[in-house]
Amino acid sequence: DGGITQSPKYLFRKEGQNVTLSCEQNLNHDAMYWYRQDPGQGLRLIYYSQIVNDFQKGDIAEGYSVSREKKESFPLTVTSAQKNPTAFYLCASSIVAGSYHTDTQYFGPGTRLTVL
Amino acid sequence: QKEVEQNSGPLSVPEGAIASLNCTYSDRGSQSFFWYRQYSGKSPELIMSIYSNGDKEDGRFTAQLNKASQYVSLLIRDSQPSDSATYLCAVPTGTASKLTFGTGTRLQVTL
Repeated sequence: DGGITQSPKYLFRKEGQNVTLSCEQNLNHDAMYWYRQDPGQGLRLIYYSQIVNDFQKGDIAEGYSVSREKKESFPLTVTSAQKNPTAFYLCASSIVAGSYHTDTQYFGPGTRLTVL
Repeated sequence: QKEVEQNSGPLSVPEGAIASLNCTYSDRGSQSFFWYRQYSGKSPELIMSIYSNGDKEDGRFTAQLNKASQYVSLLIRDSQPSDSATYLCAVPTGTASKLTFGTGTRLQVTL
């Protein structure tokens, strides 16, 4: 089955630790995205990548880092510099980015990160 | 003014009724418009996409787009309890690739 997988589903971190969230897709999509969702709020864009080995900051990139070494993978690292990391993290992908009719984004199941 | 605005609700409708969800956006250059449904604790799933002015129907769902007035709406006919969820409106704003989400409207379908 084609789709987007995220792991782990739940993640607990102590303050001061870096953690990496996994996102993999087998849809052959060029573009991938990371969002953060806080309770009762909409999704906010952290980073996005339109092509392998290239990525751009979204609206709330501070305290996060990403890499895009393979088309199917876009891991997100939440660093200790992120002041309020507890949130629901969502990965998405689209065929291409910003292109009429092929920019529909599909989401993975999400990772819920809690900082203890 | 927020880039994408939705009434947070909750919007309560009886089973079998029509639910009407509205969304306004600020970027007149937006060309694509999306409605996602999100159940509590789950990730958003795409319900409808619309690109042209007018109505687009898919089963019990109808998306309506009015670019001149900068609003997009979602109608759910014959609402079912399983439709109870938060509905997110999403619009590309500014740079291509940036999808801006509204905060969502929580829909409750009552028996």
